[in-house]
Amino acid sequence: DAGVIQSPRHEVTEMGQEVTLRCKPISGHDYLFWYRQTMMRGLELLIYFNNNVPIDDSGMPEDRFSAKMPNASFSTLKIQPSEPRDSAVYFCASSLNYGYTFGSGTRLTVV
Amino acid sequence: DAKTTQPTSMDCAEGRAANLPCNHSTISGNEYVYWYRQIHSQGPQYIIHGLKNNETNEMASLIITEDRKSSTLILPHATLRDTAVYYCIVRVAEAPSGGYNKLIFGAGTRLAVHP
Repeated sequence: DAGVIQSPRHEVTEMGQEVTLRCKPISGHDYLFWYRQTMMRGLELLIYFNNNVPIDDSGMPEDRFSAKMPNASFSTLKIQPSEPRDSAVYFCASSLNYGYTFGSGTRLTVV
Repeated sequence: DAKTTQPTSMDCAEGRAANLPCNHSTISGNEYVYWYRQIHSQGPQYIIHGLKNNETNEMASLIITEDRKSSTLILPHATLRDTAVYYCIVRVAEAPSGGYNKLIFGAGTRLAVHP
């Protein structure tokens, strides 16, 4: 199994641009999570899905952030418009039972 | 979910056992203790979890006190590759279920294994 696959690994964009982060969960996992990690705030849960349905998006910071899961094998996290304070590492994780499996993350830099 | 308290940092000599403590004095009867670690620049990695009994797997052992108010993660023979931030998390539910599946990370313990 290739694990949770995130793309791109690194993204540098200018303020105001739209950014789309992608995640492919492990096949058969029915939960998918998006986290954000910064030095100041640590690991924060943004949103999670169960069977492709968003369950809790209370961690999404603003309306500029949106997430979708059109099918069991793909999810996106979109930021529009991006701001410098969105710079962080974004992790996707998937789960079937007790353990979460995290991807390698996308390091986003907004300049 | 109950709050956990961990030391900010710890050191351990390579080859020795690393014992990482965690306090969770407000833990409820249906809450599990989970441990994850994050090696620099990587995503967090699941290590082990337990409810009441001590648990052991290929990575580590988890010792939970009888009153369940604290636990210790033991890496029996620490290596340089065990240098990471270790997170102790208390959470309802062993498996994903309903709205109780959130995994909330604190600041963790930064473990440095040295030669």
